[in-house]
Amino acid sequence: NAGVMQNPRHLVRRRGQEARLRCSPMKGHSHVYWYRQLPEEGLKFMVYLQKENIIDESGMPKERFSAEFPKEGPSILRIQQVVRGDSAAYFCASSRDRGQNTEAFFGQGTRLTVV
Amino acid sequence: AQTVTQSQPEMSVQEAETVTLSCTYDTSENNYYLFWYKQPPSRQMILVIRQEAYKQQNATENRFSVNFQKAAKSFSLKISDSQLGDTAMYFCAFTSQGGSEKLVFGKGMKLTVNP
Repeated sequence: NAGVMQNPRHLVRRRGQEARLRCSPMKGHSHVYWYRQLPEEGLKFMVYLQKENIIDESGMPKERFSAEFPKEGPSILRIQQVVRGDSAAYFCASSRDRGQNTEAFFGQGTRLTVV
Repeated sequence: AQTVTQSQPEMSVQEAETVTLSCTYDTSENNYYLFWYKQPPSRQMILVIRQEAYKQQNATENRFSVNFQKAAKSFSLKISDSQLGDTAMYFCAFTSQGGSEKLVFGKGMKLTVNP
């Protein structure tokens, strides 16, 4: 039973390019969460998605960032026109349900470096 | 807004000894959940232990236990019989949602277990 799979593990982009980060949740999980970890910081919530729906995007920057979780395929976090400040580790987590006694399992993250 | 504070950036302990990691939080909610996550060098976020605020009994998982003081809004983690594999970043986290949505993380604490 594979865990949450994120790819790529490392991504280097030049300023102005687009970055696409992928997250395949654990089998049977339909809830996905994206977090960003800046150097020397804890994880910061970005967005919560359920299949084909954005449930909570209160942590997403207003511009350049978008996320989707289609009916088929992985969840995608997309960053357009990347800037140096986007350099961070991006973590995805998934859960089977929401509510009490639900545990979210994390992937190993994608480290984005903008040069 | 909810906040989580980990005031000790770094600690070290000898193998087989006991160490306590501190965490305080701020919220106006009455029902919430608290977590400790471990992040080893592999960057994988691993759930160590969780505590429901409505439960007075402190959670325990093998060598890991918590001291939950709701009135003081304090949630410390005790690691007994420390092992080399416990070396990692430890993050305290909070959510007022159902279970694991929109986690709010502290900045983390680097624990080193010395042989």
